[in-house]
This record gives sequence, C-alpha cells and structure tokens, in this order.
Amino acid sequence: DAGVIQSPRHEVTEMGQEVTLRCKPISGHNSLFWYRQTMMRGLELLIYFNNNVPIDDSGMPEDRFSAKMPNASFSTLKIQPSEPRDSAVYFCASRQGGGVYNSPLHFGNGTRLTVT
Amino acid sequence: EDQVTQSPEALRLQEGESSSLNCSYTVSGLRGLFWYRQDPGKGPEFLFTLYSAGEEKEKERLKATLTKKESFLHITAPKPEDSATYLCAVGYEAGNTPLVFGKGTRLSVIA
Repeated sequence: DAGVIQSPRHEVTEMGQEVTLRCKPISGHNSLFWYRQTMMRGLELLIYFNNNVPIDDSGMPEDRFSAKMPNASFSTLKIQPSEPRDSAVYFCASRQGGGVYNSPLHFGNGTRLTVT
Repeated sequence: EDQVTQSPEALRLQEGESSSLNCSYTVSGLRGLFWYRQDPGKGPEFLFTLYSAGEEKEKERLKATLTKKESFLHITAPKPEDSATYLCAVGYEAGNTPLVFGKGTRLSVIA
C-alpha cells in the first residue's frame, strides 16, 4: 500500500509564476480532498471530488486556484498567478466512503509551497 | 464561530506524566469524530474514529473517548516519541463529505 503520493514535496517560486501540485490517491478510493495548512488557520478544505467529479470548490480562495481530476488515479491543483500569501503546505487526502457515517481520510505528506 | 475547538494549543509534559487533550465540537448530527497525529514535515496520520457518545478506543498509551459535545485524548505515561501535533476532526454530513479540523494541540514530552 503506497499511500497517497504528492509531488513535489517542496516548491519555491516567484510571485506571478504558475504552480502545479500533483496527487495520486490510494487505489480504490472514490473521493479526493485538497486541504491547505497554515499556522494561523490550520487545515482548510479547498475542494473535493467524488468519483472524479468536483463537488464543492467553495473553499478555493480565488479564481487563481483551479483543480482537476481527469481520472481516478490523478489530481492537480494549479495556482496561476501565484502570490506570497499562497505560501502554505498543501495536502491531498483520499478515502473510500459514501455511507451514513464518515470514514477516515488518508493524507499524503504534502507540498510545502513558498512564493517569494 | 469555529465548529471544532482544541485545547490546550500547546502542552509540555515530563516523560511519564499523564494528561488529556480536549476537542469540543458544535456540529449536530455527528457522523464521526477522528483523531490524527501529525509529525513535522509529514501529513496527518489517522489514529481513531469514534461514532457515538460513550465510545472509547485505545492504542498503546493513547485512549480516545467521546461525549455528546467533546472528545478527550488521554495520554498515559507518555514517552518522548509521543511528541507531535494531535488533530481532531469531525464529519457532520452523511455520504462522502469533508471533515472539519481543529487547529491541533502541540504536545512535547521531555525526557
């Protein structure tokens, strides 16, 4: 079991540049979640997908952020153009769920983004 | 208003000094309360799920309990390797819906 795989682990970029974060969920999981973690605000949901379909993107800060899930084994989060306030750790998580009760999320090790 | 509040924000213990972390929640219709451990530079690692008041789960030196409005993570005789940030999260909708996380408690256990 390889777990959720995120790349890159670290990304340093200049303001105005495009940034693409990648995620491979656990095989067989039907939901994928993108969270952002900062010291001030903790873990915040950005967007989530069920069966590759975006369900709720109300947590995406601005139109500069976009996410796709072209198939069950891959998702991207893109920021264009990036700004210094986007600096944070971005986590991808997946689960196999859908019942009355929630099942746990399984997280990757995150991408630490620094925008200078 | 935060839906999930954890306290204290930080806790420093001597090795062997037992204590408890608190997670209070305001959501109704709880669909699961989750505890995670997060080490520096890593993603949150799942520890426990609790679904109903009165439920308890144990793993090594950790025990999680749940009431109608809060959960406790009890740490018995902690060791330095228990040092980490402990996160609490709640699910409040049926189906494949997101979890809402608290800001965590940073635990340091000193030898």
